[in-house]
Amino acid sequence: DTEVTQTPKHLVMGMTNKKSLKCEQHMGHRAMYWYKQKAKKPPELMFVYSYEKLSINESVPSRFSPECPNSSLLNLHLHALQPEDSALYLCASSQDNPEQFFGPGTRLTVL
Amino acid sequence: GQSLEQPSEVTAVEGAIVQINCTYQTSGFYGLSWYQQHDGGAPTFLSYNALDGLEETGRFSSFLSRSDSYGYLLLQELQMKDSASYFCAVRDGDTGRRALTFGSGTRLQVQP
Repeated sequence: DTEVTQTPKHLVMGMTNKKSLKCEQHMGHRAMYWYKQKAKKPPELMFVYSYEKLSINESVPSRFSPECPNSSLLNLHLHALQPEDSALYLCASSQDNPEQFFGPGTRLTVL
Repeated sequence: GQSLEQPSEVTAVEGAIVQINCTYQTSGFYGLSWYQQHDGGAPTFLSYNALDGLEETGRFSSFLSRSDSYGYLLLQELQMKDSASYFCAVRDGDTGRRALTFGSGTRLQVQP
């Protein structure tokens, strides 16, 4: 299984809602990532988990809260988002080599 | 920190060869990667160069010159399905970070 899955594919939420994005991989990768991608822009790193511990937080606002319940799962909890947070949220995983495997992303719209 | 520069758009015809350049500035260097992303899709890994020289994978090749902080992706025998955005990316070597910093992307349009 060389796939990273993400749910949901699309999410529309209001600024007062709380929602979660989910990511799963069964490749045994010990590093997992969240990226944010705006239209016609490159992916921007948000968080890195290494061996289920948060190792990098790229100064992301606290309305985004990551969680790694186990080595296969990565969540991104969303609360009180702003319309400018609307974007494609990509999850990725990797082992000890340069190749990162990306999931299909969750397209988030904040109203 | 890191910064990477690549052309914003390239247009070519089917069957042609196209080269997408990338220059980078990094505080540490672990290698240069290339990713392809179709509209609405996820980035997919194409190649990685840690050492100087050319790496070939089918129709795609990637080159690195560490002394020039420069690399390129070469796409041969272009097909319509190669129309996509192509990103170069580096890992931060100083802190051993695995995370990638991407260039701004080159949108390749292949015309019949």
